[in-house]
Amino acid sequence: ETGVTQTPRHLVMGMTNKKSLKCEQHLGHNAMYWYKQSAKKPLELMFVYSLEERVENNSVPSRFSPECPNSSHLFLHLHTLQPEDSALYLCASSQVPGGKPEAFFGQGTRLTVV
Amino acid sequence: GDSVTQMEGPVTLSEEAFLTINCTYTATGYPSLFWYVQYPGEGLQLLLKATKADDKGSNKGFEATYRKETTSFHLEKGSVQVSDSAVYFCALSKGGSTLGRLYFGRGTQLTVWP
Repeated sequence: ETGVTQTPRHLVMGMTNKKSLKCEQHLGHNAMYWYKQSAKKPLELMFVYSLEERVENNSVPSRFSPECPNSSHLFLHLHTLQPEDSALYLCASSQVPGGKPEAFFGQGTRLTVV
Repeated sequence: GDSVTQMEGPVTLSEEAFLTINCTYTATGYPSLFWYVQYPGEGLQLLLKATKADDKGSNKGFEATYRKETTSFHLEKGSVQVSDSAVYFCALSKGGSTLGRLYFGRGTQLTVWP
């Protein structure tokens, strides 16, 4: 499969659970991103990884912990979440610098915290 | 700072009607501009892009022209279809040192009735 793949597509978790979201890109890109999409709010950039190094963390609570073991994989580890963390989590990748300027997105993980 | 403003929705049209969704931006330098589309339950898909002033991006009957003098990138389609019902996001990227991060508008919900 080409493009950006996210698993799982849907996740329901309790506030005391620990879970992880996975993202894999097959585009040969060197940068990966986590975005959060909540109802009635703009898309929020959470984390940026470039060459497997975290280069941006937009004041995201520590209950979200990203991991980028290589340039093709990105994880978002979740623990002790709150109901307001329920949202669509989108992974994206791009090639910077020097590549095409657009980012490619996965289909997202719909997270519900109960 | 850099930002994107797009018209608030929702937009409701009959099939074969003309569509315009307005988008203006604020950015230093020479950003690349994009329209992304999100179908229900899906992630974001790149619809079209323009990387320099006066460029016209086009795809699937949609068009948008990069107007630096008015800092605009309005999305148009001459005849919409029911299958165009989705949320449309205008975005910009400055690439380079900004590591490809995208600045998104709030999205415009389009519903097309048969």
